[in-house]
Amino acid sequence: GDSVTQMEGPVTLSEEAFLTINCTYTATGYPSLFWYVQYPGEGLQLLLKATKADDKGSNKGFEATYRKETTSFHLEKGSVQVSDSAVYFCALSDSAGGSYIPTFGRGTSLIVHP
Amino acid sequence: GAVVSQHPSRVICKSGTSVKIECRSLDFQATTMFWYRQFPKKSLMLMATSNEGSKATYEQGVEKDKFLINHASLTLSTLTVTSAHPEDSSFYICSASLQGRSQPQHFGDGTRLSIL
Repeated sequence: GDSVTQMEGPVTLSEEAFLTINCTYTATGYPSLFWYVQYPGEGLQLLLKATKADDKGSNKGFEATYRKETTSFHLEKGSVQVSDSAVYFCALSDSAGGSYIPTFGRGTSLIVHP
Repeated sequence: GAVVSQHPSRVICKSGTSVKIECRSLDFQATTMFWYRQFPKKSLMLMATSNEGSKATYEQGVEKDKFLINHASLTLSTLTVTSAHPEDSSFYICSASLQGRSQPQHFGDGTRLSIL
């Protein structure tokens, strides 16, 4: 079956540091890839997505590129802020009998200190 | 954009009580909705796929008689935790999406269930 693996957290950084959160996947079909963010006490919200190989998704300074050859979708940001502290989930959507079932990684907690 | 509303946001009740959680898609129709349980170390466990007009599809290890799912319309799915016990205390989240491979999930804000 499909799976998503992302790096264990927590990731602890100082403000303005460079961020990378690794994500790799396995899928039987040709999935779409997503990053979601969860702020404390809230549900998840879409951060960015990419739907085909070599696509780059970007939002709020975050970027991730769909790498089919390495089955990866690493999340990066050049300069993190305290407000970026949250849990980040990598996910894919793959077709199963005509419907699209989401598969999530375990989440990576990011803590940014002033 | 697509909005999913989940209610209630927090429930505290006694052991043995049944609790119903609602998930509504406010501005789109969702033939499929998903229910998740989130554990303290943040991992998100898919419990079941809720299918409008038919029975839900439960993930392995999830008791369907314990977690009753009803998806009677294209905008509403409900999860009922029957005879809840302290070990059922958790954060429950629903999601729905528009049809299509590239469509993201839209999540409710979650329900914090605490069973005393």
